[in-house]
Amino acid sequence: RKEVEQDPGPFNVPEGATVAFNCTYSNSASQSFFWYRQDCRKEPKLLMSVYSSGNEDGRFTAQLNRASQYISLLIRDSKLSDSATYLCVVNMNQAGTALIFGKGTTLSVSS
Amino acid sequence: DADVTQTPRNRITKTGKRIMLECSQTKGHDRMYWYRQDPGLGLRLIYYSFDVKDINKGEISDGYSVSRQAQAKFSLSLESAIPNQTALYFCATSEGRDRVSYEQYFGPGTRLTVT
Repeated sequence: RKEVEQDPGPFNVPEGATVAFNCTYSNSASQSFFWYRQDCRKEPKLLMSVYSSGNEDGRFTAQLNRASQYISLLIRDSKLSDSATYLCVVNMNQAGTALIFGKGTTLSVSS
Repeated sequence: DADVTQTPRNRITKTGKRIMLECSQTKGHDRMYWYRQDPGLGLRLIYYSFDVKDINKGEISDGYSVSRQAQAKFSLSLESAIPNQTALYFCATSEGRDRVSYEQYFGPGTRLTVT
């Protein structure tokens, strides 16, 4: 089993749609979890940290299920500007030096 | 001005040449990292540094070396570049010491092509 796996996508949705991405991780001792957004050929940018049972930031909601070892990202009311690749990132140790990046899920929002 | 900067942004070089990629940050973070990204693969850690005197190998350090010249500067060298080192390279920073945060902030990347 790969360390961090994501839905491969691409997800093609119309504006206003709700879309959800899932991510599973293999190491049950993983400490913390993140969602990053990466636009084509640009740097990843932190979208949300997920430290406990989940959190919400505007149209974005991240959930963590430690028992099943997965995290999810829900985007409501999709905008054209949400089109990007979303990276699931898992920190495997307390030192924060073992960030494992998923390959990403591509979202395309159309008008 | 960007908090994390990388130079050069693009570089084409020939096999066997020595290349240095530079990273500077104004975030005041202690920790700095170098990653590479290849199409279809996730980011992979090359080296990381917790402070000027602390440098550690990451997942794929072979063929690379680093230097932490100051808290704000972390450079990556390819001593003898080879074609499979063609990739997008990112520098990242995070807090350290008593302000532990595992959130990392990335520079704009350097696109390196080795012919």
